Amino acid sequence: GQNIDQPTEMTATEGAIVQINCTYQTSGFNGLFWYQQHAGEAPTFLSYNVLDGLEEKGRFSSFLSRSKGYSYLLLKELQMKDSASYLCAVTLDGGFKTIFGAGTRLFVKA
Amino acid sequence: DGGITQSPKYLFRKEGQNVTLSCEQNLNHDAMYWYRQDPGQGLRLIYYSQIVNDFQKGDIAEGYSVSREKKESFPLTVTSAQKNPTAFYLCASRGGLNPNEQFFGPGTRLTVL
Repeated sequence: GQNIDQPTEMTATEGAIVQINCTYQTSGFNGLFWYQQHAGEAPTFLSYNVLDGLEEKGRFSSFLSRSKGYSYLLLKELQMKDSASYLCAVTLDGGFKTIFGAGTRLFVKA
Repeated sequence: DGGITQSPKYLFRKEGQNVTLSCEQNLNHDAMYWYRQDPGQGLRLIYYSQIVNDFQKGDIAEGYSVSREKKESFPLTVTSAQKNPTAFYLCASRGGLNPNEQFFGPGTRLTVL
């Protein structure tokens, strides 16, 4: 079966750093996405990892270890607007089908 | 501007009625997808289409139907056979220069009374 696990909720302070973990067990792997989703809105693309290692993009970084079935999203210099759900998603072989985790709701407090 | 549109944003229907949600894209993408999202849950795949006139069932296709007569359009019909149709429905497409990324429409929140 396909399984993606993320923590349900996290709370962090404005200006701090937070790491959101994701573990996956899927039949096949083509790449791993992170999306941000504000309540009632569509997910927006944050990052895409295909190879092992760290991808940095501004305040956001994403790490992948394919051998461990593990990824994390790192958010630096947290802002109030970063309060949202963060979805981890794995694209299976061929790239046609993507499996989504339940998402991690991040609360940023002043 | 290129993008994906879904209409309407909010939709109310009486129980037992079929309802069709629209999804249109002008990104020239071959692949299109329909997802359902329930509170506190991730996205679950209903149907997807890799090319015009072809579509495949996703993980929760029962009670839903789709068509793909044009590349730009992928409407989803929620039938009366769907037991719990109230949810947030998201359409997405994939293709172009970044073939692995899915671009999402704004979503339709369907409430069945």
